This record gives sequence, structure tokens and C-alpha cells, in this order.
Amino acid sequence: DVKVTQSSRYLVKRTGEKVFLECVQDMDHENMFWYRQDPGLGLRLIYFSYDVKMKEKGDIPEGYSVSREKKERFSLILESASTNQTSMYLCASGSNTDTQYFGPGTRLTVL
Amino acid sequence: QQQVKQSPQSLIVQKGGISIINCAYENTAFDYFPWYQQFPGKGPALLIAIRPDVSEKKEGRFTISFNKSAKQFSLHIMDSQPGDSATYFCAGGYNNNDMRFGAGTRLTVKP
Repeated sequence: DVKVTQSSRYLVKRTGEKVFLECVQDMDHENMFWYRQDPGLGLRLIYFSYDVKMKEKGDIPEGYSVSREKKERFSLILESASTNQTSMYLCASGSNTDTQYFGPGTRLTVL
Repeated sequence: QQQVKQSPQSLIVQKGGISIINCAYENTAFDYFPWYQQFPGKGPALLIAIRPDVSEKKEGRFTISFNKSAKQFSLHIMDSQPGDSATYFCAGGYNNNDMRFGAGTRLTVKP
């Protein structure tokens, strides 16, 4: 079975802190994605990556950056957390011949 | 601007009834239309998917109906069960991967 793991299930940070969310997949997928999920808005794509050291902006990249140094790992970085970044963050991985598989999510609260 | 619009936001169905969730998309370049099911505390998981060259796909109690000319597709859950209570997301995308999601439908099946 495909496994996508996220470093934390729950995270509480303070405004202005730098936040790292880590995601690891074990299926050798080329593609990895970060979404945020908010009630009534569904899943919105923040950033994605089709290869190591490669990144593309999604629909809502402002306030976020990403890093992909290894194929299996994709990190989401909040350079200076703000309260409007309180959300559920979902990581996913997939290939061009297979669908996306999601991790369990990290619920981030920024105080 | 949401590329995939989903309705209703919430749905309550009696056990044994039919649940119907509708989606409309704007981008005619989309070639992959999956439905994801999400239980509380879990990430979304692929339920069923369709490509635009067919008008219907059925897997067990779940059926996708696809209308390419109207740019609409829907999920039908026959003989709905309390275990089907979850949030359902439709999506549209390319190459199984570059997807945009609807806002989600919270389904409650009453025993």
C-alpha cells in the first residue's frame, strides 16, 4: 500500500514563527503536492513538484515556500506564520499513471 | 476562482436511499475526473474516477455519470449506508495529477 506520512498531526505555533511541515512518500512517485483544506473551500493547491529540486506554484502560494531535496520528501515552509494560515494541510503524492495519494494531514493553529 | 464547483455542501439521506452529488467544471482540457472520500481525521482517498471518453462508470454501489457537453459530472451512491457518511470531493485534472478540487459535500446517512 502507498504510504504518505506527515511529520505532525497537530501543530500550534505563534504569529511570526517559521514553520516546517514535512511529508514523506514510499512509492517512488515523481509528483508531490501540498494543499490546504478549509471548510467550504475544499482543497486548494499551494505548491507542487514534478521532480527533485523542482517546484511549481499552485493557486495560493503566497506566504509559503517548498523544498524538495530528495524524491521521497517534500517540505512546506511558512516563513512567518500568520493567523490566516491556520488550517489543515494535506500532502499528496502520485505519478502520471496513477492518482494522488494523501497523507493524514497536519492541523496547524497559529496563535 | 474555483475551477470545479460542487453541490450540495451537505446532504442527509436515509439508509438505503440514493445519494447524489453534482459537480461542474470549466476547463475543457481536463481529462481525468476523480471522486475522493474523506473520513474525519483522515486524508482523502480515491473512491472512483472517470475519463471524458465514457459517459458512465460503475464500481459496486458507486456510479459516476459524465456529461461532456454540459461539463458536468455526478456521483451516485446507491443503497446508501451509515458507513458512507463522509465528506466527498470531486476533482478535475490532467494526467491524473494536476487536479483542482470542488469544495466538498458532507454526506450523512441516517440509520
